Amino acid sequence: SAVISQKPSRDICQRGTSLTIQCQVDSQVTMMFWYRQQPGQSLTLIATANQGSEATYESGFVIDKFPISRPNLTFSTLTVSNMSPEDSSIYLCSVYEWTGPSSYNEQFFGPGTRLTVL
Amino acid sequence: QKEVEQDPGPLSVPEGAIVSLNCTYSNSAFQYFMWYRQYSRKGPELLMYTYSSGNKEDGRFTAQVDKSSKYISLFIRDSQPSDSATYLCAMSPVSGAGSYQLTFGKGTKLSVIP
Repeated sequence: SAVISQKPSRDICQRGTSLTIQCQVDSQVTMMFWYRQQPGQSLTLIATANQGSEATYESGFVIDKFPISRPNLTFSTLTVSNMSPEDSSIYLCSVYEWTGPSSYNEQFFGPGTRLTVL
Repeated sequence: QKEVEQDPGPLSVPEGAIVSLNCTYSNSAFQYFMWYRQYSRKGPELLMYTYSSGNKEDGRFTAQVDKSSKYISLFIRDSQPSDSATYLCAMSPVSGAGSYQLTFGKGTKLSVIP
């Protein structure tokens, strides 16, 4: 199974600033994702990080607010821009490796980045 | 109506009790049903998955899916303090290229008291 690390593990930021979260995987993976886990809410997919092209955003999330980079098959970053207290959440990186149509393709999650915006 | 409903708890049980965790859903296209366990300050980890209806057992854990009722359950037998975590149900419509499209419940926080 893939081992995922995230930096930073937590941060406290001021309103109006930006934070970049890094996700590193110990092996090359086909797909990487960014999720948000707000208190009392479901884990919600922000976007799919595509290697070599622009990320694919889910409804309600936009590139200006959550720019994403994926320079190679083991690394991605998520930036939370112009932060407000409503952005306080846990941000999780996830990876998924396609092993074929006849098997279950598990999704693995990183430990998360706990963000507090004051 | 949200696609997946899960009682957030918290649920507190004595050690050794049988725990029942449940989710209901509205999208009949869901075919894969997963249970993730998330310890405090950690990411979710897959506990079990089930395809379509039926039961699946893994040690002290049993997952049940009733597609006719759109209802899934996770049972934990002989619960241990180490089972204390948040349990998230998740669902996806198909395997293959679409199986990354997971829809999660809010999670149920479980505490097993020694």
